[in-house]
Formats: sequence, C-alpha cells, structure tokens
Amino acid sequence: GQNIDQPTEMTATEGAIVQINCTYQTSGFNGLFWYQQHAGEAPTFLSYNVLDGLEEKGRFSSFLSRSKGYSYLLLKELQMKDSASYLCAVPLRDQAGTALIFGKGTTLSVSS
Amino acid sequence: GAVVSQHPSWVICKSGTSVKIECRSLDFQATTMFWYRQFPKQSLMLMATSNEGSKATYEQGVEKDKFLINHASLTLSTLTVTSAHPEDSSFYICSAPDLAAPYEQYFGPGTRLTVT
Repeated sequence: GQNIDQPTEMTATEGAIVQINCTYQTSGFNGLFWYQQHAGEAPTFLSYNVLDGLEEKGRFSSFLSRSKGYSYLLLKELQMKDSASYLCAVPLRDQAGTALIFGKGTTLSVSS
Repeated sequence: GAVVSQHPSWVICKSGTSVKIECRSLDFQATTMFWYRQFPKQSLMLMATSNEGSKATYEQGVEKDKFLINHASLTLSTLTVTSAHPEDSSFYICSAPDLAAPYEQYFGPGTRLTVT
C-alpha cells in the first residue's frame, strides 16, 4: 500500500522561501503530485514529478528523489495568498486513470 | 482545460434524510470518476470509484449501502448520502482522470454537506 508523510503545519513570512517535505512508501512508483488547496475549495494542481531532480515552475519548484522516497515543494518570494494547505499525492495503482492517495497536507501560514 | 462541476456547492439537511450530490464533466467524457471526502483539517480520503455502466468500487470502511453511487452517463456521476447523520457532515469532492495525462485528475469544486 501507499504511505505518505508530510509536516502538519508551517509558518513563514512574506518574501521568504519555504520548503515543504514529503516522504512516501509505495508498492510501485508512478509519479508524485503536489496540490494546493485553499480552505473550502478543491485542490489545484501544482506539479507532477516522475523523474529524479528539480522542476521549476515560476515561484514554485518541486524536487524528487525516487531512491530516497522523498520529495519537496519549494515556494519562493512568498505572498499572503500562498497561505493554504499543500498536499502531496501518489497514484493509487499502476494504471492510467487511477485515483490519487493524498498525504495529510501541510498547512502553510504566511504572515506579513 | 477540462472542467468538472458539482451541484450543489453546499447543502444543509436534517438527520435521517438523504442528499444527492452531482458531479458532471462539462466538456469531456468520463467513464471513471472518483469521490473523495474531506473532514475539517484533514486530507482528502478516497471513498469510491464510480464506473459508467457498472457498479462502483468502494474503499475499505466505506458503506456502499449508505453512500449510493450511480454513474448513469459518460458525463454524470451522483453520490447519494442516505439517512444522513451529523458525522456525515464533510466536504465531498469528485474528480475525473485526464486521459491525455494518465495520472492527472480534474477536480470538481466540492460540495459542503452539513447534517443537523
């Protein structure tokens, strides 16, 4: 089965950089997702990593190490609107169109 | 990009009544849809997989007789919470897989259910 672990809460200030870690154990590996979720809203897609390394997308970057079962989401130049929950997720099964299994989420609070 | 809608966005019902939540794929066909539930300050938990033309597949611990799922067409799946109780109060989210990107999902906006 899948097991995903990430910190429950983090705090940071505007303009800063924050790194949200995620460790996972899966029976197979079909990539790792990061989603952002504001309270009362659906998750929005941030990134999908299937190969090792860092992928940068504007202020957000995501890193994956398959050998270590580890990923992180890096948020730069933090803004107040980045206050949200960040969810790490992996596919449930090794097949296209499968559901996602989510970690418990990391609630990030950005203060001025 | 593809859009998934849900209706209603929020609903309040009395204990013992049933509530139906609709999930629609607006501009694409979805033979499979997923239903998730999210309690306050917790993550999304997969409840069931809705399959067009066949029975839904429920995750362990989810009562299929309580959470009725019907995938009547290629664009519509419904989740009916029967005999709702306050502990069923939650945020229900559906999603559909993106066939062009096999592991990605399109999420609906969610339905907030409050049972009084």
